[in-house]
Amino acid sequence: QSVLTQPPSMSGAPGQWVTISCTGTSSNIGADYDVHWYQQLPGTAPKLLIYANTNRPSGVPVRFSGSKSGASASLAITGLQAEDEADYYCQSYDTSLSGSVFGGGTKLTVL
Amino acid sequence: EVQLLESGGRLVQPGGSLRLSCTASGFTFSAHAMSWVRQAPGKGLEWVSTISDGGGRTSYADSVKGRFTISRDTSKNTLFLQMNSLRAEDTAIYYCARVPISFFVSGYFEYWGQGTLVTVAS
Repeated sequence: QSVLTQPPSMSGAPGQWVTISCTGTSSNIGADYDVHWYQQLPGTAPKLLIYANTNRPSGVPVRFSGSKSGASASLAITGLQAEDEADYYCQSYDTSLSGSVFGGGTKLTVL
Repeated sequence: EVQLLESGGRLVQPGGSLRLSCTASGFTFSAHAMSWVRQAPGKGLEWVSTISDGGGRTSYADSVKGRFTISRDTSKNTLFLQMNSLRAEDTAIYYCARVPISFFVSGYFEYWGQGTLVTVAS
């Protein structure tokens, strides 16, 4: 059972828009800690996609965007492409656990 | 170019010990906190441990506290994870990751290595 809750799977057709949610509690996201997102392509290491809720590292397409409100955060992907098929994880800090916590991951399928 | 290269993973018996290494290049190693994150086969990501840039502060997940020790050798640009009293549930790919400057455990993971597989089984 992960501290942060994500839907296990989502899907969308090429060109569509999808949003992946990440729900936390008053000990992590709700305590105003930043949320970060990672993309893990099949068989590879995770890669930072969004940091500090809304920021994209250099090289990440503008199709990826993040937002945060209260104890939840979201990752939006517009104009879905086949290469976006991957696992996506959110991450934050938890004061009760005194460490980083991850969501369980969302497997995105591009139909 | 930032590069992180893990090594040391192998098959080990329950109760055994193992030391993982992560050699860093392409950045000032001493300026960054570093972390270990693991991923059990077919499962999600789990933060394991973080060490501060200077090595004076460490933090561990409850699941490994008292069994694992994180350390670093700045002269060799290398991060370590000493793993003792290994259990079957420690079986995972172990990734080392760089934390941004000015962050410690509340940071995020900017760059990741390719991982090294640890299998705990008899």
